[in-house]
Amino acid sequence: SQTIHQWPATLVQPVGSPLSLECTVEGTSNPNLYWYRQAAGRGLQLLFYSVGIGQISSEVPQNLSASRPQDRQFILSSKKLLLSDSGFYLCASGGGDYYEQYFGPGTRLTVT
Amino acid sequence: SQELEQSPQSLIVQEGKNLTINCTSSKTLYGLYWYKQKYGEGLIFLMMLQKGGEEKSHEKITAKLDEKKQQSSLHITASQPSHAGIYLCGAEDRGSTLGRLYFGRGTQLTVWP
Repeated sequence: SQTIHQWPATLVQPVGSPLSLECTVEGTSNPNLYWYRQAAGRGLQLLFYSVGIGQISSEVPQNLSASRPQDRQFILSSKKLLLSDSGFYLCASGGGDYYEQYFGPGTRLTVT
Repeated sequence: SQELEQSPQSLIVQEGKNLTINCTSSKTLYGLYWYKQKYGEGLIFLMMLQKGGEEKSHEKITAKLDEKKQQSSLHITASQPSHAGIYLCGAEDRGSTLGRLYFGRGTQLTVWP
């Protein structure tokens, strides 16, 4: 089975500062990768997905970006954080079943 | 897009009680996934249902998909504090070639001893 690693676990950043969240996957190759954001009282919002190295699609226009420099590495970035970027960010990897997804432990981001 | 409505939004039960969480869609559900999330942690896969009338169980948790494939329920028997957390349902988006899931907003379950 897969293991999804995310770091850092928690992050407090001032408004206007840059952001880099990393996700790595073990136990599979060439997975679909996903970044979600979960805000308090709301469901999971899909932010980005990737079907392969260098292939990124965005679901929601915003000041965030994603990159996939390696097969099992997915990075979420921002050049300047906004207060509204606060939330819980989850990375997920597609499983053997077409729709099955494995989730990482998440990163709690607080923008102050 | 497909939207999933979960009810109730939150649930507080005494240990030992049974409970049910519902997930309803306006469209046919081709695949329905149940996940559990402890606060501040990732999602743990529980069960996946595909066929109308299908029912699956794991320990004291049973999930069902109705015959019309528009509603799923998650039933916990004799709840324990370890069952506490957020339960989310997710549905396959057949309009996407991506293998994406749409999620409900979740049900917060608290079990007090």
